Amino acid sequence: EDKVVQSPLSLVVHEGDTVTLNCSYEVTNFRSLLWYKQEKKAPTFLFMLTSSGIEKKSGRLSSILDKKELFSILNITATQTGDSAVYLCAVEAYNTDKLIFGTGTRLQVFP
Amino acid sequence: EAGVAQSPRYKIIEKRQSVAFWCNPISGHATLYWYQQILGQGPKLLIQFQNNGVVDDSQLPKDRFSAERLKGVDSTLKIQPAKLEDSAVYLCASSPVSLAGKVTGELFFGEGSRLTVL
Repeated sequence: EDKVVQSPLSLVVHEGDTVTLNCSYEVTNFRSLLWYKQEKKAPTFLFMLTSSGIEKKSGRLSSILDKKELFSILNITATQTGDSAVYLCAVEAYNTDKLIFGTGTRLQVFP
Repeated sequence: EAGVAQSPRYKIIEKRQSVAFWCNPISGHATLYWYQQILGQGPKLLIQFQNNGVVDDSQLPKDRFSAERLKGVDSTLKIQPAKLEDSAVYLCASSPVSLAGKVTGELFFGEGSRLTVL
């Protein structure tokens, strides 16, 4: 059965800290891995990764995929209180046309 | 561009009652998804429509859940009768084409309908 596992489940840091969120997966016919940020509203898209070793970057956020070891990490540097959210990892497989989500990592950033 | 619209935002019902949620996707988006997100868990796909046809409803509890997307635009998800374990946020998402045909793989989510079953 396809599955996506995220760790840690919860993380509490102070502003300015750097955090690393992990996502491992077991999916048949892997196509892509996506990261979403979910505050109290709808999940919003952050990154889509399809190739190993190519870092995607957006401001203080960056992500990379390792297709050999079947995992991805999401890094956030110089965290701010506005980064507080649940970060969801999802995986898409060929021929299924749907996303399988992990349980998410809840990040809390305190001033 | 208007986003995905969902209503109601919140609903509280007693078990065995029925409830319906409505979703209006982004204009022109052919693919529509309903996800169930139980507290502390990631979203789980319930049903996927491509235009007005069902692509995947393998995880929809069909004895109590039903969904339709008449005319290939807005959609309704119904639960009848509701159980305590149906308490969750029901997220609607849309995409211009199917995931397999989309470069970014991005789904556009609505703000969700939070259901509490007492």
